[in-house]
Amino acid sequence: AQRVTQPEKLLSVFKGAPVELKCNYSYSGSPELFWYVQYSRQRLQLLLRHISRESIKGFTADLNKGETSFHLKKPFAQEEDSAMYYCALAPYNTDKLIFGTGTRLQVFP
Amino acid sequence: DVKVTQSSRYLVKRTGEKVFLECVQDMDHENMFWYRQDPGLGLRLIYFSYDVKMKEKGDIPEGYSVSREKKERFSLILESASTNQTSMYLCASKHPPGHRTDTQYFGPGTRLTVL
Repeated sequence: AQRVTQPEKLLSVFKGAPVELKCNYSYSGSPELFWYVQYSRQRLQLLLRHISRESIKGFTADLNKGETSFHLKKPFAQEEDSAMYYCALAPYNTDKLIFGTGTRLQVFP
Repeated sequence: DVKVTQSSRYLVKRTGEKVFLECVQDMDHENMFWYRQDPGLGLRLIYFSYDVKMKEKGDIPEGYSVSREKKERFSLILESASTNQTSMYLCASKHPPGHRTDTQYFGPGTRLTVL
């Protein structure tokens, strides 16, 4: 079955601390993986996708096919990073997105 | 900038009422989607559409139907609202896979409460 697992509902860190939001997936083929973010009172928006290999707002994510993971990392968290983060998977050549249950990141000053 | 708009930000309806949620996008996207977002469950796909008058069931279509009469508009219909349909509803749109810009763009959401 196709599934995305985000084991942490809430992650709390202090400003300047490293952050890692975990994402594991279950899919037999070659998926496309995404991270979406939703800031308070804003719409859900794409943060990054694995094929772009970009760093957005200091965040990076590497697809590890052996561990079926796509963890989101940032070396130094900022207060403005506080938001809800969703990992999502798109099966090959489809439009459907399968979302994880989300992790709320709280960054304290 | 891509604009996906939803007709209402907040909606309160009574059990048994017929409810229409409207979504409009202005980027000539072929594909449109309806999700519901619930705490602890993430986003779940209700229905999607690849073209005008075409629709496909997502993961949780029961109790819902959709309509796509024009390319830019995708409506979600609750034929007889029930309290377990109280949720945040998100609309999204995108170009098909392979398009140079095939990112899925989301609307602001409609928070529906069914009493």
